[in-house]
Amino acid sequence: AQSVSQHNHHVILSEAASLELGCNYSYGGTVNLFWYVQYPGQHLQLLLKYFSGDPLVKGIKGFEAEFIKSKFSFNLRKPSVQWSDTAEYFCAVNGSMEYGNKLVFGAGTILRVKS
Amino acid sequence: ETGVTQTPRHLVMGMTNKKSLKCEQHLGHNAMYWYKQSAKKPLELMFVYSLEERVENNSVPSRFSPECPNSSHLFLHLHTLQPEDSALYLCASSPRLAANIQYFGAGTRLSVL
Repeated sequence: AQSVSQHNHHVILSEAASLELGCNYSYGGTVNLFWYVQYPGQHLQLLLKYFSGDPLVKGIKGFEAEFIKSKFSFNLRKPSVQWSDTAEYFCAVNGSMEYGNKLVFGAGTILRVKS
Repeated sequence: ETGVTQTPRHLVMGMTNKKSLKCEQHLGHNAMYWYKQSAKKPLELMFVYSLEERVENNSVPSRFSPECPNSSHLFLHLHTLQPEDSALYLCASSPRLAANIQYFGAGTRLSVL
């Protein structure tokens, strides 16, 4: 069955540290990939997306993600985190056939940035 | 604000109560979704509506009953829930069903006593 795996459930970093959150999915066909973020008390919002083209995509607030097809991965990165990046981050995949045109989410990674 | 509004934001109910969750979108989208978000688990897709027709029902217990009277409104009627149903229930919408970005509401935090 299709699935999305996020490697860490909790990550704690100090301000200015670099961030990489892992995401792997189980599907070999054409996929659309997303990272969503949920700040404390707020709604889920799109951070960045990959549909096609350059596998390195830039999102809001200095985030980027790299699609590596051979590794079925879509890791999220930020060179220097800020206290305001404290949130829960969700990787999601939307395929064509196997996923039935629906978003499949990972379990989420809670990031806490210490000031 | 995403243009997707959910009410109420918090709900506490007993196992014998009947309540409803409401979702409203003013984005002109044709597809709407209900998700369940439990701690340490992936978001679970519950129901999908496209042009007011249910197109997906992911083996959700019958104590959850969705209703989509028009393309802007989506309800989740709750009856005889169990404590394990306590979770954050999220509504989302997208311009159309296939391969699109979904816009989420802030959710309803449900506690079943």
